[in-house]
Amino acid sequence: QQQVKQSPQSLIVQKGGISIINCAYENTAFDYFPWYQQFPGKGPALLIAIRPDVSEKKEGRFTISFNKSAKQFSLHIMDSQPGDSATYFCAARLYNFNKFYFGSGTKLNVKP
Amino acid sequence: DTGVSQDPRHKITKRGQNVTFRCDPISEHNRLYWYRQTLGQGPEFLTYFQNEAQLEKSRLLSDRFSAERPKGSFSTLEIQRTEQGDSAMYLCASSGRSISYEQYFGPGTRLTVT
Repeated sequence: QQQVKQSPQSLIVQKGGISIINCAYENTAFDYFPWYQQFPGKGPALLIAIRPDVSEKKEGRFTISFNKSAKQFSLHIMDSQPGDSATYFCAARLYNFNKFYFGSGTKLNVKP
Repeated sequence: DTGVSQDPRHKITKRGQNVTFRCDPISEHNRLYWYRQTLGQGPEFLTYFQNEAQLEKSRLLSDRFSAERPKGSFSTLEIQRTEQGDSAMYLCASSGRSISYEQYFGPGTRLTVT
C-alpha cells in the first residue's frame, strides 16, 4: 500500500505555463512534506518543504499548497522553464520515526 | 564540494556475489539514510542511522542486506548473495540536527546484477 499517492505520472507544459503536481496521503502521523527534483542520473534535490500547520509556502517560482483536512498537498511551478524538465517527487515524514515515504514521481516536460 | 558522496557510482556484479557501497554524509550531519530506487519509482526507505545507532530498518530489507555506520561518520551498505531483483539505484541521504529534517541526497550507486 502506497503511503503517498502522486499524480499525474507525467506532465507536459508550455514554457511560461504553470505546472501543478498533486499528492495525497492517509496517515495523520506525517508531519513534514518535502518536494524533490531529480534529473537523470542524479540524486533527488530538495526543492521546498512544508509543515502541516501552514497552508502555503512560496520560494521563488515554487509554491506548496497544503490542505490538512483533505490530506492533500500540491506543488505549483510558476513560469515553467525548459530547465525545470525533470522528475518531481513528493514525500512525507512519519513523526517520531524520521522515516520518509515518497510518491511515485511525476515526469515534467516543459516545451520551449 | 561538501555534499553527500557515494562510492562507487556504478557497480556490475554477477548473481550470487556480495557487494558493498559506501556513503560519506555532509560532515556535520548526524542522521544518515539509505534508500533504493528502481526505474520510474520514488526512493524507497531502507534504513536510518542517528549517529552510529541504526534506529529504523524497513521490513523490505531482507537478511541479505546489512548497513553499518561505525563512529557515526561514513556508512556502508552490504548486499550478500545478490539477486537480479537487487538491481537498482542505491541512494544515501543525510540530515543535520535542526528540526527541519531536510535531507540531502548523494548521487547514488547504480547496481546491475547480471
